[in-house]
Amino acid sequence: GAGVSQSPSNKVTEKGKDVELRCDPISGHTALYWYRQSLGQGLEFLIYFQGNSAPDKSGLPSDRFSAERTGGSVSTLTIQRTQQEDSAVYLCASSSANTEAFFGQGTRLTVV
Amino acid sequence: KQEVTQIPAALSVPEGENLVLNCSFTDSAIYNLQWFRQDPGKGLTSLLLIQSSQREQTSGRLNASLDKSSGRSTLYIAASQPGDSATYLCAVRGSGGYQKVTFGTGTKLQVIP
Repeated sequence: GAGVSQSPSNKVTEKGKDVELRCDPISGHTALYWYRQSLGQGLEFLIYFQGNSAPDKSGLPSDRFSAERTGGSVSTLTIQRTQQEDSAVYLCASSSANTEAFFGQGTRLTVV
Repeated sequence: KQEVTQIPAALSVPEGENLVLNCSFTDSAIYNLQWFRQDPGKGLTSLLLIQSSQREQTSGRLNASLDKSSGRSTLYIAASQPGDSATYLCAVRGSGGYQKVTFGTGTKLQVIP
């Protein structure tokens, strides 16, 4: 596709369950970012990938959160044992060396 | 650690006014700066990208300037319209081997018909 694709667009899960969020970046983009936006709040950085490695994981809020990227392309953000405070929109962005960052439409996660 | 601040946090103007949104950042070692627009419940739309070597970029009624040495950028919107109502975010990308994008806090703009 031409843009950043995220799936699912919406996810409702029960507290305590694990969830996986997927991001397909623009082809050829080496940098990939995950952000979280809670209702009415600003963007919260989670993790940054350069290729398959993650030089900055400082934004992951707890060890329940993890992310990986394979083949320098698709990335998966996994949240284990979800809590209600994990409810938010999870946004993924990708960019190349000197281009602008492009965002996907996000995954709205609701933990009930 | 890069910190990005946007002032004001919210702004309400009558239709037709020209307005300026401000963005400041603490570390001038940036690769580029980007302005985004976010509509309620939607994703982010890129408006303008300014490379660190540039001073300004223009797109239609939008003009963004960059003063890297002072750590400031402004987004100028001419002849504002109700459709411009949204939250505007600036984001700076660090230079060097690790180019993390840091977002500002956003300015929520309302243009009143």
